[in-house]
Amino acid sequence: DVKVTQSSRYLVKRTGEKVFLECVQDMDHENMFWYRQDPGLGLRLIYFSYDVKMKEKGDIPEGYSVSREKKERFSLILESASTNQTSMYLCASSLNRPPQHFGDGTRLSIL
Amino acid sequence: AQTVTQSQPEMSVQEAETVTLSCTYDTSESDYYLFWYKQPPSRQMILVIRQEAYKQQNATENRFSVNFQKAAKSFSLKISDSQLGDAAMYFCAYRISNAGNMLTFGGGTRLMVKP
Repeated sequence: DVKVTQSSRYLVKRTGEKVFLECVQDMDHENMFWYRQDPGLGLRLIYFSYDVKMKEKGDIPEGYSVSREKKERFSLILESASTNQTSMYLCASSLNRPPQHFGDGTRLSIL
Repeated sequence: AQTVTQSQPEMSVQEAETVTLSCTYDTSESDYYLFWYKQPPSRQMILVIRQEAYKQQNATENRFSVNFQKAAKSFSLKISDSQLGDAAMYFCAYRISNAGNMLTFGGGTRLMVKP
């Protein structure tokens, strides 16, 4: 079975902090994704990566950056956290075909 | 840009009965995939069913089936013999076939199952 592991299930940070969300997959997938989930808005794509050191902006990249130094790991970075970034963050990975496999999510609160 | 709309924020069904969740999408593409994902309280997103647009036959997975109306751009999910474990958020998603496996999601429908 594919395993996508997100480093934290819950995280509380303060406004202005630099925040790192980590995601690791164990199936040698080329593609990795970061989504943000908000009520009524579903999942919105922040960034995705199709290879090591490669990244593409999704629908809502503002205020975020990503890093993919190794194939199995994809990090989401909030450079200076703000309260409007309080949300559920989901990581996913896939081959170049469906489906995507998701982690359990990180519920991030910015105070 | 592609959009996916789920018009029912919440639905409820009696255990053992049938419920249909609706999804419409907007696209100018002819080759694409559609998916239904389930997210229980544990938060793990689980793929329920998928449909390739070129296939006319509606996909079925045990108690889950879809009604895919390509011309109407509609993709509803039918859950038969509903069980308590079906209670979850359900998301409809769309993927262009040559788009690097990126998904566009609807806003979700919360399904409650009454015992």
